[in-house]
Amino acid sequence: DQQVKQNSPSLSVQEGRISILNCDYTNSMFDYFLWYKKYPAEGPTFLISISSIKDKNEDGRFTVFLNKSAKHLSLHIVPSQPGDSAVYFCAARNGAGSYQLTFGKGTKLSVIP
Amino acid sequence: DADVTQTPRNRITKTGKRIMLECSQTKGHDRMYWYRQDPGLGLRLIYYSFDVKDINKGEISDGYSVSRQAQAKFSLSLESAIPNQTALYFCATSDGGSPPYEQYFGPGTRLTVT
Repeated sequence: DQQVKQNSPSLSVQEGRISILNCDYTNSMFDYFLWYKKYPAEGPTFLISISSIKDKNEDGRFTVFLNKSAKHLSLHIVPSQPGDSAVYFCAARNGAGSYQLTFGKGTKLSVIP
Repeated sequence: DADVTQTPRNRITKTGKRIMLECSQTKGHDRMYWYRQDPGLGLRLIYYSFDVKDINKGEISDGYSVSRQAQAKFSLSLESAIPNQTALYFCATSDGGSPPYEQYFGPGTRLTVT
């Protein structure tokens, strides 16, 4: 059973516009959510995170929103740049038991110049 | 120099062969992890270790074993490789477990089992 879902395998956005990547989860014990970015032939790199007790976290062009009642989070990139083209993974930390990260399947973002 | 290194970066092997993937880190982290990535399936945890004497199975440990030779070294072995173990393998590290709990990943090993 997939506990972290990224239902959009891919997304194309014009340079300068907003990119919105979505993530849904099912486990109420997740206490932290992280976004990773992955370029081809490289390992994933940490981008931004949010605690389950917050509803927004912002870091430069990147903002993550958390709607705990809907078990939904989203990553906003504004403005989008060609260098943002990558696969983005949503991950959630289990705050009880394993304390491990569970990853979604990823969304491939293409920013068109 | 990279903080988390993996060797080899690419490997082609035959069914039934034993193979070892190695991971080293210079971040001084206690926790180390092995993941595999398959197309369309994201990252799945194989094994993790919180220190040299602590090894734990992850979501998909069958067919794999690990060894934590030192704080900085964590190896993944496939005792008898099979074609459905063809995947991209990542090693990762993290510190003692403080927010935001990020893990630092190596560049990956692409393994092909024929």
